[in-house]
Amino acid sequence: RKEVEQDPGPFNVPEGATVAFNCTYSNSASQSFFWYRQDCRKEPKLLMSVYSSGNEDGRFTAQLNRASQYISLLIRDSKLSDSATYLCVVLKAAGNKLTFGGGTRVLVKP
Amino acid sequence: ETGVTQTPRHLVMGMTNKKSLKCEQHLGHNAMYWYKQSAKKPLELMFVYNFKEQTENNSVPSRFSPECPNSSHLFLHLHTLQPEDSALYLCASSQDPVSQRTGELFFGEGSRLTVL
Repeated sequence: RKEVEQDPGPFNVPEGATVAFNCTYSNSASQSFFWYRQDCRKEPKLLMSVYSSGNEDGRFTAQLNRASQYISLLIRDSKLSDSATYLCVVLKAAGNKLTFGGGTRVLVKP
Repeated sequence: ETGVTQTPRHLVMGMTNKKSLKCEQHLGHNAMYWYKQSAKKPLELMFVYNFKEQTENNSVPSRFSPECPNSSHLFLHLHTLQPEDSALYLCASSQDPVSQRTGELFFGEGSRLTVL
């Protein structure tokens, strides 16, 4: 089983709609969780951290479910510029190594 | 302007060539990383350097040889590569340890390598 798993998509989303997708992780010792965004042919960039109580950053909402070992990202009022691959990233308590998921591709269409 | 710059951006090499990828970070970070990104596969960590010392070698074949002369520069020396080594090679930097709160790595734009 992969350490961090994501649905590769693509998720085709009408502009203005809401899209949500999950990421599952296998290691219960995982401590911290993040979402990165990677535009086509660009480098990954940190989008947001995921806190235990859930958190929002504008139109983006991240949730963590430790019991079921998954995190989620919800995008409201999708914009064309939200089209990207969203990478789920896990940091274990021991060591400082980030493990990346394969990414979920989102395509927002007019 | 990115705080992490990589050169060259594109590289085509034969299996018998020797080439090097270069990375420079202007962020004052202590840790630098090499990642490999292949099509339809997750980012794979290759090497980690902390204060110029290698702290992780993720079972990378010896045809990849990293070098970190100082905290701002990182090289990846390539020799006798295979076609399956064709990928995007990403350099990143961070304060060490990677912050539990932000988990932020700063990536360069990558060097796209094609091995013929």
